[in-house]
Amino acid sequence: DAGITQSPRYKITETGRQVTLMCHQTWSHSYMFWYRQDLGHGLRLIYYSAAADITDKGEVPDGYVVSRSKTENFPLTLESATRSQTSVYFCASSQPGTASGYTFGSGTRLTVV
Amino acid sequence: GDSVTQMEGPVTLSEEAFLTINCTYTATGYPSLFWYVQYPGEGLQLLLKATKADDKGSNKGFEATYRKETTSFHLEKGSVQVSDSAVYFCAPLTTDSWGKLQFGAGTQVVVTP
Repeated sequence: DAGITQSPRYKITETGRQVTLMCHQTWSHSYMFWYRQDLGHGLRLIYYSAAADITDKGEVPDGYVVSRSKTENFPLTLESATRSQTSVYFCASSQPGTASGYTFGSGTRLTVV
Repeated sequence: GDSVTQMEGPVTLSEEAFLTINCTYTATGYPSLFWYVQYPGEGLQLLLKATKADDKGSNKGFEATYRKETTSFHLEKGSVQVSDSAVYFCAPLTTDSWGKLQFGAGTQVVVTP
């Protein structure tokens, strides 16, 4: 199906483990984004990407790594999970120059225990 | 840099009441403006947008007008329903080369029967 999908929907992991959150979009949008949403902080940008192999840090990048070898995929990796990374993570995509805004995935709820 | 200020929530209303959520922004130039809605347990969805001064965006009974003079984009609905209970985010599109959305903190709206 067309759209932007995130997986897994829910994830529980232990402190210190590496975990990867997946994001896949079918529109060939150039821009992709990762946000985390926490109570009291709204949406905070972690990383973004303008195209394959072009990524840059957002507001809260520490502890996260991204890659974008293909336009349609933008995985987010927590190298060594900490409890402070317990959050809901949203991926989004957009096409520059269209003023169409972002399309968001349904989110991944990550709990680090 | 660009920023956006939304009225704090929660906003609690009775069904059929009038809803206004204030949003003001600071930006270089004249950004496109967006309102997103997040229903419980879901990702953000585009509610409406306006791309130039005096434009009015509308959708699902909601309206917002791009006011260049006051740099505002207030969201309104004349008669809310219980199903409008959600968190609403105002977001100007930054005018830098990345075209990132700058999200407000979100305003929770609770509509009671």
